[in-house]
Amino acid sequence: GAGVSQSPRYKVAKRGQDVALRCDPISGHVSLFWYQQALGQGPEFLTYFQNEAQLDKSGLPSDRFFAERPEGSVSTLKIQRTQKEDSAVYLCASSLAEADPLPNEKLFFGSGTQLSVL
Amino acid sequence: GQQLNQSPQSMFIQEGEDVSMNCTSSSIFNTWLWYKQDPGEGPVLLIALYKAGELTSNGRLTAQFGITRKDSFLNISASIPSDVGIYFCAGRMTTDSWGKLQFGAGTQVVVTP
Repeated sequence: GAGVSQSPRYKVAKRGQDVALRCDPISGHVSLFWYQQALGQGPEFLTYFQNEAQLDKSGLPSDRFFAERPEGSVSTLKIQRTQKEDSAVYLCASSLAEADPLPNEKLFFGSGTQLSVL
Repeated sequence: GQQLNQSPQSMFIQEGEDVSMNCTSSSIFNTWLWYKQDPGEGPVLLIALYKAGELTSNGRLTAQFGITRKDSFLNISASIPSDVGIYFCAGRMTTDSWGKLQFGAGTQVVVTP
């Protein structure tokens, strides 16, 4: 498809279980972003990549959260030992732009993975 | 936590009315963005603003970057049913990396015929 693809669409995990969320960005997009959106809130920044380099991971809430983009394309967000407070929609976005924003800077968001931790 | 204060939280309006919402922050931003999110989807960019005082339109949408660089507003004129959704402001703080956006909590717009 032409858009950002995220899988799975829904994930139910038992507390303490590890999960892996996948993001396929738009082909050729240099930058990739992960955001966490709690119910009724706006997205909150987790981390972003430029190609395979993770340039900012200041939003990752704890060392249980880990993201990678080894070949500068597909990215995986891994959450270890999930807790109830990790329940949220995890949004991935990609952008053609790099560090200097272009006049038509645009992040294309996927539909997200809804994670429920029981 | 979120550093942007977005208001109102929700709006119930009649078709044809104008809508206005705003975002404020205690920090200086160098970019303001407005997004719309439909249920089960990711946010979609509506308008991007880069300069203090900038006023930009996109069809029936108009947004402005406040001159203090700490606020922005979005107006929707002559609302139609498809304007229903949640609108988010987002900004990039001068002290943050390019990739990091701060989002408001959203304004839910409901349009009745």
